[in-house]
Amino acid sequence: GESVGLHLPTLSVQEGDNSIINCAYSNSASDYFIWYKQESGKGPQFIIDIRSNMDKRQGQRVTVLLNKTVKHLSLQIAATQPGDSAVYFCAENSGGSNYKLTFGKGTLLTVNP
Amino acid sequence: EPEVTQTPSHQVTQMGQEVILRCVPISNHLYFYWYRQILGQKVEFLVSFYNNEISEKSEIFDDQFSVERPDGSNFTLKIRSTKLEDSAMYFCASTRTGAIIQETQYFGPGTRLLVL
Repeated sequence: GESVGLHLPTLSVQEGDNSIINCAYSNSASDYFIWYKQESGKGPQFIIDIRSNMDKRQGQRVTVLLNKTVKHLSLQIAATQPGDSAVYFCAENSGGSNYKLTFGKGTLLTVNP
Repeated sequence: EPEVTQTPSHQVTQMGQEVILRCVPISNHLYFYWYRQILGQKVEFLVSFYNNEISEKSEIFDDQFSVERPDGSNFTLKIRSTKLEDSAMYFCASTRTGAIIQETQYFGPGTRLLVL
């Protein structure tokens, strides 16, 4: 995606397509990662998480992939639906600081019917 | 399904005024957090709270901020003298125990604070 007015990366897909949202993290000590979905005017909603000792984790229609070598995290949404339209944030927890979450910048996913 | 609730949903205040944002964490949760999100920016950690004391705070959480668990259900964030740059969405979150890293933080719907 490319940055827009709010400097937020965007991804636009057609309904039914698969979506891949990417996230880079910088703290090699991070050992727990979470994807949150944020709809307009609402709080972050947990989607899926993954521990650093895993490379892949699957949920319902969602898959998270973790590549610790390049410090990269991705969220794959299968058969994207209009209700998936939202901002998606990755968050990391380095564990050393009472479990505070450090959020990434977010990606705006727009699903076109 | 249990959820974190926050009041008010919107708050407009004059610069220099005090505001109190309220949260009711999920009832059996013990670890509480405040985050904020300035419009168009990422969610930022403010403070974590456990056993009636602050566990950690960020550099944003200066002397103008305070948190309190006044009773068994509420968790509040007070800003003593609001500044224009305090305008943001404030989210409360909670976790069940905070005893393990891999524990989901559940977020409330947020309070949108506008300082004029």
